[in-house]
Parts: sequence; C-alpha cells; structure tokens
Amino acid sequence: DGGITQSPKYLFRKEGQNVTLSCEQNLNHDAMYWYRQDPGQGLRLIYYSQIVNDFQKGDIAEGYSVSREKKESFPLTVTSAQKNPTAFYLCASSISGELSEVFDEQFFGPGTRLTVL
Amino acid sequence: GQNIDQPTEMTATEGAIVQINCTYQTSGFNGLFWYQQHAGEAPTFLSYNVLDGLEEKGRFSSFLSRSKGYSYLLLKELQMKDSASYLCAVRGGGGGNKLTFGTGTQLKVEL
Repeated sequence: DGGITQSPKYLFRKEGQNVTLSCEQNLNHDAMYWYRQDPGQGLRLIYYSQIVNDFQKGDIAEGYSVSREKKESFPLTVTSAQKNPTAFYLCASSISGELSEVFDEQFFGPGTRLTVL
Repeated sequence: GQNIDQPTEMTATEGAIVQINCTYQTSGFNGLFWYQQHAGEAPTFLSYNVLDGLEEKGRFSSFLSRSKGYSYLLLKELQMKDSASYLCAVRGGGGGNKLTFGTGTQLKVEL
C-alpha cells in the first residue's frame, strides 16, 4: 500500500533539546511539505520541498530545519531556537511541486504530536 | 498576503443539510481544496474547485465563485460521523504548489 508514514505518533522532549520528526512516502511524489497545527487553528506551512535536494521556507520556518536527500524522505528538526514547539506536526506530499491548475491534492501522514516539557 | 475566513463552529442535526462558507483574499489563485479532519487525525481530501460552479461528489458538493473570492461546502444527509473540522485551502500565490489553509470550521452533528 502506498502512503505517508510519520514516526513517532507521540513524542516528548525536554526544553532545549533538538528533536527530529520522521516523514517517509512511497507514492513517488516529487513534493513534500511540513505543517504545524495548534489547537483550534489551521495548518501553517513550515517548509516545503518541490524536488529532491531542494527546499524552501514556508510561513513559520524560524526554529526549524529540514533536509531532502532522498525523494521519499523529508525529516524535520525542531531546534531549541523554536520558542513554542509543542504542537501537532503534519507531513504531506503531492505529485508535483510546480504551480498549476491541474488537480494535485496533498496527501497527509498521520501526524506527530510533540510535547516539550 | 493570504487571508482565508471560515466560521469557527457550526452545529447541525443528523439527516439535515449544512453549508460551510469560505471567503478568501489571496495574491494568486490556482484552485481551492476542501479537507475533512477528525480530531487528532490527518486531513483527508474532500473536493477541489478551480473553475466557477458546483462540483458534486456523493453527499458532498462544493461551489466556487472566483470573482467573489467565495466557496462553500455543502453536506447533505448529515451523519454523526460527519462531526469533524472542515478546512478550506487555497493554492496559489508565493510560488510552488503550496496551500494556504483557513482555520477550519468545527462541525458538530447532533441527534
């Protein structure tokens, strides 16, 4: 079955520690995305990657870093510089990262709930 | 800039019809998506509009007016399992296949 996996589902870290969230897809999609969701709020884009070895900052990139060394993997590191990291993190992918009117939905992984103590 | 507005909460009765509105002001437009999200889960795709008019998909329909910056999601024959958050998202502006999401409308279906 094709899909997107995120691990772990729940993650606890102490304040000041860096933590890396995993995202893997076997859909052969070029584009991948990281979103953050806070209670009662919509999804906010952290980083996105239109193709392997390339990525761009989204709306709230400060305190986060990513890499895209393989097409199927897009890990997100939450650094100690992120002032309020406790949130629900969602990874997504789409066939293409190019802007067009062609229907190209984003598929989402199950999410990782990060709690910083 | 990007601005997407949806009502925060709505309540409806099982078996009824509900309309969830979404208005947007974005620097570009290349399509509007509706997603459903149950609490603690991933959003799942419901519908897509890029041209003006109505798209029907079973119990769900979505309408778009690009000139008015307006869309709605219509849910018919409501079921208890339809209780969820409904997210409106616009593609376009700022480059790439990025989506800008509204804050979501929490729908509660009651008996």
